[in-house]
Amino acid sequence: DQQVKQNSPSLSVQEGRISILNCDYTNSMFDYFLWYKKYPAEGPTFLISISSIKDKNEDGRFTVFLNKSAKHLSLHIVPSQPGDSAVYFCAASARISGTYKYIFGTGTRLKVLA
Amino acid sequence: DGGITQSPKYLFRKEGQNVTLSCEQNLNHDAMYWYRQDPGQGLRLIYYSQIVNDFQKGDIAEGYSVSREKKESFPLTVTSAQKNPTAFYLCASSIGGGYGYTFGSGTRLTVV
Repeated sequence: DQQVKQNSPSLSVQEGRISILNCDYTNSMFDYFLWYKKYPAEGPTFLISISSIKDKNEDGRFTVFLNKSAKHLSLHIVPSQPGDSAVYFCAASARISGTYKYIFGTGTRLKVLA
Repeated sequence: DGGITQSPKYLFRKEGQNVTLSCEQNLNHDAMYWYRQDPGQGLRLIYYSQIVNDFQKGDIAEGYSVSREKKESFPLTVTSAQKNPTAFYLCASSIGGGYGYTFGSGTRLTVV
């Protein structure tokens, strides 16, 4: 059972435009949601997170929106740059028996076209 | 600089061999994790450890073993019982919550 889903395996966007990456989840007990960026043959790097008690968090060109009623979050990148081309993973965290566990989606490959 | 170091970056294993992947962190994080990445499957949790001398199985622990003798170190052994070990392995540590993981740079294991 996939608790965190990224239904779009890939996305292409023109440089300067907005990139919108989507993520759906099923467990209402998740307390934080996070986005990671990953280049080939490297470890993922943390981008931005949002607490389940908020509906928006912004950091420079990156904004994450959380819609709890729809169990949906999205990452907006504005403006998109060629260096943003990577695989983006969303993740959700839950504290289980005192340990934080993070559950990842399958990733969306973003390609920003120059 | 604080971070997580994984070694080696590339590893080749013969059929029937055990191999050990190293993971060291100097972030003073209590929790450490091992994930496996396969194409189209995202990141799947193998093992995790909250404190020294304690660890828990993740979703795909069969064929793997770990130890946590020191806070800084969380090595993963891929045993010969793991039927499909070729993958990209990622180690991570965390203080939890909205801070997420800090990942290492990964080890690509190939069975030859």
